[in-house]
Amino acid sequence: SYDLNQPPSVSVSPGQTATITCSGDKLGNKYVSWYQQKPGQSPFLVIYQDNRRPSGVPERFSGSISGNTATLTISGTQVTDEAAYYCQAWDSHVLFGGGTKLTVL
Amino acid sequence: QVQLVESGGGLVKPGGSLRLSCAASGFTFSDYYMTWIRQAPGKGLEWVSYISLSGNYTDYAASVKGRFTISRDNAKNSLYLQINSLRAEDTAIYYCGRENIGVTGRPVDYWGQGTLVAVSS
Repeated sequence: SYDLNQPPSVSVSPGQTATITCSGDKLGNKYVSWYQQKPGQSPFLVIYQDNRRPSGVPERFSGSISGNTATLTISGTQVTDEAAYYCQAWDSHVLFGGGTKLTVL
Repeated sequence: QVQLVESGGGLVKPGGSLRLSCAASGFTFSDYYMTWIRQAPGKGLEWVSYISLSGNYTDYAASVKGRFTISRDNAKNSLYLQINSLRAEDTAIYYCGRENIGVTGRPVDYWGQGTLVAVSS
């Protein structure tokens, strides 16, 4: 089975840049989406097709991919960005990484 | 606006059954693949099943194959998940999602609020 690997946790200070990685075999041949999930809420799409933002998502959220690693970058991180973030690719079906808990403190 | 509203969750004994529903509105339901995704308490997201536009193609995670059945009624803008032979490890919030096959990578661009299935004796 295909696996997407994320660090369990990332910490950042308010106003700094947060980076969350997602790695997988030949991930560069797929397209990666990212979801934000705050406690008690449903996941919310913040990046699709590696680096595109749905309308309404703040510009401080960006995505990139290099080789087998995709990266979600949050510039000028705000306290309200504290959440779990999941990467997702498609490999015969929707597939999720294990999630990264972003702490802003 | 796009809305997905799940219902049908509850507390059920091991071996029991439930039928989850997802009512869709705000978009042309028959133009989208639909998917079920679950999240066990304190855990990550797990894909469960998806269904094609007309319902003629379905796929399931290995952990639920043979026990869960996905279906849809395009006339009623509704998605369903029949879950049988429930196990403790099926305890989770079940989300329905709109899978956008028109976008490479097939993101789940809209999610419902989820319905909780709890399996316990």
